[in-house]
Amino acid sequence: DAKTTQPNSMESNEEEPVHLPCNHSTISGTDYIHWYRQLPSQGPEYVIHGLTSNVNNRMASLAIAEDRKSSTLILHRATLRDAAVYYCILRHPVRTSYDKVIFGPGTSLSVIP
Amino acid sequence: DVKVTQSSRYLVKRTGEKVFLECVQDMDHENMFWYRQDPGLGLRLIYFSYDVKMKEKGDIPEGYSVSREKKERFSLILESASTNQTSMYLCASSSDRRGVLEYEQYFGPGTRLTVT
Repeated sequence: DAKTTQPNSMESNEEEPVHLPCNHSTISGTDYIHWYRQLPSQGPEYVIHGLTSNVNNRMASLAIAEDRKSSTLILHRATLRDAAVYYCILRHPVRTSYDKVIFGPGTSLSVIP
Repeated sequence: DVKVTQSSRYLVKRTGEKVFLECVQDMDHENMFWYRQDPGLGLRLIYFSYDVKMKEKGDIPEGYSVSREKKERFSLILESASTNQTSMYLCASSSDRRGVLEYEQYFGPGTRLTVT
C-alpha cells in the first residue's frame, strides 16, 4: 500500500477553519484518497473520499492537489466535537475480499474553546 | 444510517478464559472485519469474512478464531485469553455491491478488553 504522511498534531480555535494536510507522493493513478476520524473512545468514522476532483459533503471538504501527491481535509468551522485523530489513507480500487483498512498514526486535532 | 454494534464496550477477563466478542451490522453488508488497535501500532486486521460461513486470516490471527453463521453477525473468539490480548477490538463492515474499492468501512464503537 502506498504510504501517507501527516503531522502528528494540530490545534485550532473553535469556529475557525481547519486544514489538515496529507502527503502521498507515491500514490498510483487509481488510488482513492480516504479520510477517517476517530473520536476519543469510539471507533473510526468515515469522513470523505475522492480521486481527482475536490469533494464536499456535510462533514468536510477534500482538496486534492493537481498532481495528486497531496491532499487537504478542510473542516470549515471547527467545533469541540471535531477534536479527534484524523487518518488519511489510500485505497486501491481493485475488487478484492482482502479489503483491510490500514491506518497510520494520523493527526491528533485539538480544538480550543 | 449504517449501524455496527458490538456486544460490550468494556470487558475484563482472566487469563485462560474463552472470550466471545459479538458484532452485528444492519446494512446487509457482505464484508465484515475484526481489527485490534494498540497505541503505536495502529489498526491491525485479525480476521475478515466476505460471506456467510467464509473467513480469511488477516495479519495477526494467532490466538483468535471467528464465526459467521449469519450475514449480519460476526463473532471473534479468544480461545484462551492472554494478557497480550488486552486491546481495543474494532469490528467493521463494508459492501462491495458497487464492485470497486472506493466505498467506506463502517466501524463499531469498539470493545476495550482487559485480560488480567
